[in-house]
Amino acid sequence: GAGVSQSPSNKVTEKGKDVELRCDPISGHTALYWYRQSLGQGLEFLIYFQGNSAPDKSGLPSDRFSAERTGGSVSTLTIQRTQQEDSAVYLCASSLEARGSGANVLTFGAGSRLTVL
Amino acid sequence: GESVGLHLPTLSVQEGDNSIINCAYSNSASDYFIWYKQESGKGPQFIIDIRSNMDKRQGQRVTVLLNKTVKHLSLQIAATQPGDSAVYFCADAGGNAGNMLTFGGGTRLMVKP
Repeated sequence: GAGVSQSPSNKVTEKGKDVELRCDPISGHTALYWYRQSLGQGLEFLIYFQGNSAPDKSGLPSDRFSAERTGGSVSTLTIQRTQQEDSAVYLCASSLEARGSGANVLTFGAGSRLTVL
Repeated sequence: GESVGLHLPTLSVQEGDNSIINCAYSNSASDYFIWYKQESGKGPQFIIDIRSNMDKRQGQRVTVLLNKTVKHLSLQIAATQPGDSAVYFCADAGGNAGNMLTFGGGTRLMVKP
């Protein structure tokens, strides 16, 4: 597609429920990232996918968080048993270049705003 | 570990004035930096980048300066316009293989008419 698409744009859920957030990266971009942005804060790295390699999950805050990327394209971030502190904007980004290539410009989606009541 | 931080959380400037947003980094091996602009309700957008073999790079109304000696970079916006109001992040994308983008807390630029 022309840009990185994320859905839903807004999600309100009750504490303890599971949520799934979807990211559709730019066609041809092999690298995909998930970041979390709490209100008024910077971007917190969550997970990185590169081609068919094992993902870098080092940023996931707990085992309630997981992500997958099917067919090297669409990615889904799943948060199980949501807590109020999970409330944030979840940003997805994709890049043509692999991380560490030295020309790693990310294109971000508009984000999915999650509110846990 | 590497950290990227910003000196000022909020910067208020008069329309037409120049803006300077600062950023410090800690990883001396960092060799590539990016500035992003994030408008309300949107994801960050690429503004300009610079490699460590340069100390200055200019774009349209924006200039990035890199001082490797003190590990500091700045974003200068000329003739600031209301549309420049946003949060600006610097990010370190270079250095060691496998390095991830690390963002600071951001600086909010407010342009007064």
